[in-house]
Amino acid sequence: NAGVTQTPKFRILKIGQSMTLQCAQDMNHNYMYWYRQDPGMGLKLIYYSVGAGITDKGEVPNGYNVSRSTTEDFPLRLELAAPSQTSVYFCASRTGQGLTEAFFGQGTRLTVV
Amino acid sequence: RKEVEQDPGPFNVPEGATVAFNCTYSNSASQSFFWYRQDCRKEPKLLMSVYSSGNEDGRFTAQLNRASQYISLLIRDSKLSDSATYLCVVTHSGYSTLTFGKGTMLLVSP
Repeated sequence: NAGVTQTPKFRILKIGQSMTLQCAQDMNHNYMYWYRQDPGMGLKLIYYSVGAGITDKGEVPNGYNVSRSTTEDFPLRLELAAPSQTSVYFCASRTGQGLTEAFFGQGTRLTVV
Repeated sequence: RKEVEQDPGPFNVPEGATVAFNCTYSNSASQSFFWYRQDCRKEPKLLMSVYSSGNEDGRFTAQLNRASQYISLLIRDSKLSDSATYLCVVTHSGYSTLTFGKGTMLLVSP
């Protein structure tokens, strides 16, 4: 049982390039999330999904896009990368609302130069 | 007022000490509460959920005060391995998202 798997673990992008951060979970969780964490800061929600085909914006969605075509996968797309998107990106999943634990992937460390 | 506020610390304590963290939340409709632990450059992991009546897990005790809108975490007999950042997490009734505080850093020294 792998849990939440994120790829890649590290990436350096040039300004204006695009990339997709992959996230997959094998726990059959309905809810999935993308957060970013800047140094010394808390986690900020980018996008989330409550099930296949359903996505919604979080606190900081600008510059990102997501899709949820299957329960397992929730990729995050960066279009036209900017230095402000340099951050650590975490994907998470949980079964639903209430006192249900969120499981996190190991993170993707992205640097935009 | 920020939605979830924590003292960033760091809290520097010797091994064996008892340390307490508080977290305040602004939304009175908040429903579920958690403490997560995050080690340096790692992903957050659930430490414990916080139940309305308070709950204990070994050396860790969590309390919820709905009237004053805060939750607390008490760590007894601190270990070196407790050094980490502790994140307060809140969800709201009817909402699917988790809101994180910025975290409180704990450093336990020999």
